[in-house]
Amino acid sequence: AQTVTQSQPEMSVQEAETVTLSCTYDTSESDYYLFWYKQPPSRQMILVIRQEAYKQQNATENRFSVNFQKAAKSFSLKISDSQLGDAAMYFCAYRSVFRNSGNTPLVFGKGTRLSVIA
Amino acid sequence: EPEVTQTPSHQVTQMGQEVILRCVPISNHLYFYWYRQILGQKVEFLVSFYNNEISEKSEIFDDQFSVERPDGSNFTLKIRSTKLEDSAMYFCASSGKVWGMGTGELFFGEGSRLTVL
Repeated sequence: AQTVTQSQPEMSVQEAETVTLSCTYDTSESDYYLFWYKQPPSRQMILVIRQEAYKQQNATENRFSVNFQKAAKSFSLKISDSQLGDAAMYFCAYRSVFRNSGNTPLVFGKGTRLSVIA
Repeated sequence: EPEVTQTPSHQVTQMGQEVILRCVPISNHLYFYWYRQILGQKVEFLVSFYNNEISEKSEIFDDQFSVERPDGSNFTLKIRSTKLEDSAMYFCASSGKVWGMGTGELFFGEGSRLTVL
């Protein structure tokens, strides 16, 4: 079974600075998807960024980028120019590409609570 | 923008009572899920549902739990006899793509907080 580990329960960053959230995972599969979800205090989880394992290029979405190291099974999230609205719980998640049902669940890490200091 | 909606936002119940949590997935989505998050812990998969039947379920999803899609729009999670340890935030999610045809992104609702006393 796949596992996702986020070793930083809490992180803080000064507004406008850069912060990196760590995520490692364990899998025997060669193809899969990785995600970062943001859960602000309003509770709805929102997709921040995703990475297909077959792509070598790191995904980027505006101020959010990932450092995907497939061999090391590492998938960190970098937030540049941090804003107060970035304060939230961030979850790293893994999803198999294909299973017989075609309907595979996400496997989440425990999350990292990010505080942004004005 | 289409979204997943859940009701109630918060429910308090007595141990042993039945609870039904309701979800309205995004209308053209085909796959439906329930996850839960016990306070301070990680989000855990409960069950996935496709074509009017359960596709996959976790060890958490025992005989006390059931899901159904009664009318083609709602997707419900029923807990027959609640226990203290069922207290959690329950998230519904849906996705519209079959693997190989897209990224299979899940869209989550805002969650239903269940408190069992």
